[in-house]
Formats: sequence, structure tokens, C-alpha cells
Amino acid sequence: GESVGLHLPTLSVQEGDNSIINCAYSNSASDYFIWYKQESGKGPQFIIDIRSNMDKRQGQRVTVLLNKTVKHLSLQIAATQPGDSAVYFCAGDGSSNTGKLIFGQGTTLQVKP
Amino acid sequence: DAEITQSPRHKITETGRQVTLACHQTWNHNNMFWYRQDLGHGLRLIHYSYGVQDTNKGEVSDGYSVSRSNTEDLPLTLESAASSQTSVYFCASSEGRLAAQETQYFGPGTRLLVL
Repeated sequence: GESVGLHLPTLSVQEGDNSIINCAYSNSASDYFIWYKQESGKGPQFIIDIRSNMDKRQGQRVTVLLNKTVKHLSLQIAATQPGDSAVYFCAGDGSSNTGKLIFGQGTTLQVKP
Repeated sequence: DAEITQSPRHKITETGRQVTLACHQTWNHNNMFWYRQDLGHGLRLIHYSYGVQDTNKGEVSDGYSVSRSNTEDLPLTLESAASSQTSVYFCASSEGRLAAQETQYFGPGTRLLVL
């Protein structure tokens, strides 16, 4: 079946450094991808999205890169702060056209002071 | 501000009891979803709805039911709670104007413990 997966379950970075969280997907026809942030005890929070007709999209301190050739997307967080510590999920629509999303299992980002 | 809320936030129940978890959104979204989140499994879809009177089964629907009598609410019912249903439950919604390419917005979650 279709899948969306993250490469590393845990990522530890120093405060102030840049963080890169990676995600791979299986369906080359996927059109839409979202990154979510989930803090302890809270629901997933939308960070940024990207459509398949784009390679890159930037937000405030975050950038998502999409490489359709190798079916890979990444979330880059600039100048990582302690408040960025959370679990990060990627999700894709799997080209299902149903409004449903397929979620990866999450990478835990730990920011060291 | 528009939002999505869940209640209760925490629930302890006994095996065999019927439990209903509430989800309410004020965005006037057409699509609503219920997920459970467990260690090692990520978010798994239980049921979803595209609008009033519409409900659909997700990948882990056994033992759960939903009903959609209005746009704002999608209550999740555990017909006869089992210990395997101990989990964190999240409700989400999306606009539904386009079937695809839509962000889902999540509620704060309900922690359910079945003893």
C-alpha cells in the first residue's frame, strides 16, 4: 500500500543550528504534502504545505523542499529554538483525491541548549 | 476565533461500557475525521465524513461508529469499550470544497483509558 515515512525517529540539534527533517513517500502521483508539529499533550499543528507543482516553499523560519524524482521531502528549520522541540509529521494525499491524508510516524526533534 | 474542540480531554472507563467522544468545529468545514494515535503506529484513520448524513469507515473502524447530524459535530462512539481501544483520539476537519489538497486541522485530543 501507499506509505509516507520519516527517515529518523529522533533528531538532536544544538540551539541556533539549522534542523533538517526528512520524509519519503511511495506514490509518485501524490499531489499535496503537509508538515505538522505536535507538542507533548497537544494535537498536530499545521506548519507548512506544498503542492506537487512546486519544489520549494518558505515560511517563517521553515522551508519545505520537494524532490519528486526521488519521492522525498524535507522540512528545514532555521536557527532552531527550544520551542521547536516536538514531534514532526509529514503527510501526503497519496493522490487519492478523497481529502484523506497518509501520515508518517513522526520524528522527535530535541533541541539542546 | 474559529476552532475545533474535543471533550472530554481525559476519560477512564471500564471494559464493555459504551463511550462517546465529542468533536465540535466552528469553521463550517464539510470534512471531519477521527484518528487514534498509538506508539509505533502513528495516526490511524477510524472514520470520516464529507458532510451531514455522510459517514465512511477508515482503516481501523471495527468497534467504533460515528454519526453526522449537523456540520459542526462528529461524535465518536465506542460501542463496547475494549482495552485495545486505550489510546489518544484526535478529531480533525478540512474545508471540503476541493476533495484533495486540503489541510486538516486537529483538535487537542482525548486520552482514553479502558480498564
